[in-house]
Amino acid sequence: DAGVIQSPRHEVTEMGQEVTLRCKPISGHDYLFWYRQTMMRGLELLIYFNNNVPIDDSGMPEDRFSAKMPNASFSTLKIQPSEPRDSAVYFCASSGGQGGGETQYFGPGTRLLVL
Amino acid sequence: SQQGEEDPQALSIQEGENATMNCSYKTSINNLQWYRQNSGRGLVHLILIRSNEREKHSGRLRVTLDTSKKSSSLLITASRAADTASYFCATLRGGSYIPTFGRGTSLIVHP
Repeated sequence: DAGVIQSPRHEVTEMGQEVTLRCKPISGHDYLFWYRQTMMRGLELLIYFNNNVPIDDSGMPEDRFSAKMPNASFSTLKIQPSEPRDSAVYFCASSGGQGGGETQYFGPGTRLLVL
Repeated sequence: SQQGEEDPQALSIQEGENATMNCSYKTSINNLQWYRQNSGRGLVHLILIRSNEREKHSGRLRVTLDTSKKSSSLLITASRAADTASYFCATLRGGSYIPTFGRGTSLIVHP
């Protein structure tokens, strides 16, 4: 298994531009999580899905952030418009089997820099 | 606020020494997990300990859980330079399906 796949690995954009981050979870996993990691705030859960349905998006910082999971093998996190304070590493993780509380498998992350 | 808080925030040791990191939490939990994050990489699951367990081992890792003190410790024995990483605890509270991560302990092992 290739593990959780994220793209792009690095993204540099200018303030105001739209940013789309992509994630392919591990096949068979029914939970998918989006996290943001910064030095100031640590690892923050933004949103998570169960069986492609968004369950809790209370961690999404603003309406500029949106996430979708059109099928079991693909999810996107979109920021529109982007701002410099959105600069962070964004991780996607998936888990399965016994519910979301079990082992999470993280992707390599997308390092986002908004100028 | 964070459910799990790691201590110390940073730890620097020599290769061959043991490294101990602690995690404290506030409310009752179903399980507690430890993860490692190498610089520039995603988190990697190390070990999961359930609330009815007191100790688990995995290779050079030893995890203990004291639910009365609401704390856990991660011991890495005979550390190696390759153990240099950040270590996070994640707690699963009762009634929740989603673990909450702490801020992590940064471990540096000098060769």
